[in-house]
Amino acid sequence: SAVISQKPSRDICQRGTSLTIQCQVDSQVTMMFWYRQQPGQSLTLIATANQGSEATYESGFVIDKFPISRPNLTFSTLTVSNMSPEDSSIYLCSVMGVSVNTEAFFGQGTRLTVV
Amino acid sequence: DAKTTQPTSMDCAEGRAANLPCNHSTISGNEYVYWYRQIHSQGPQYIIHGLKNNETNEMASLIITEDRKSSTLILPHATLRDTAVYYCIVRVVRVQGAQKLVFGQGTRLTINP
Repeated sequence: SAVISQKPSRDICQRGTSLTIQCQVDSQVTMMFWYRQQPGQSLTLIATANQGSEATYESGFVIDKFPISRPNLTFSTLTVSNMSPEDSSIYLCSVMGVSVNTEAFFGQGTRLTVV
Repeated sequence: DAKTTQPTSMDCAEGRAANLPCNHSTISGNEYVYWYRQIHSQGPQYIIHGLKNNETNEMASLIITEDRKSSTLILPHATLRDTAVYYCIVRVVRVQGAQKLVFGQGTRLTINP
């Protein structure tokens, strides 16, 4: 199993500013992911955070808006840049092992409100 | 990517079995079906997963059709605490080995006293 800590748990930010969300895992993991959950919606994958290389972004998400770092196997950050009210969402970190027969684990999320 | 289709909402009486269906007709042969639930916008909680055989654990049972195009999650004795959004998910495996979970829209299950 893996325990994931996300910081901050929630924040209220001014439009035009940026927020960096941290994800810390209690063990080394192969795959780390960042999701967005807009109000009342399902989870949408933003990107896969790759250790030592650029993140792999899903369609509709770009590095300039959501820069991601992953300096080691237990830590990653997601930055939401130049925020607008449309960025108000819950952002979740997730980790998964290589074996397709093992579960993924999720953090408790960061609830972001942009005003 | 394989997509899943679920009913938007369902109701079930407390103490009865809750049966949640999911269609995943475009699933590939090596892709697992996973079920998670989310309560009050907390992080999703793992329930169960399977490839082609039926699976059971302490929380639920998973029935996968022989053609793998659909599955049913069964909560055998639903309690009020099972009220949540339930997600049927396909674990997509790409050519270079990259993987991801593809979430459907989820079923909002309400357990009634």
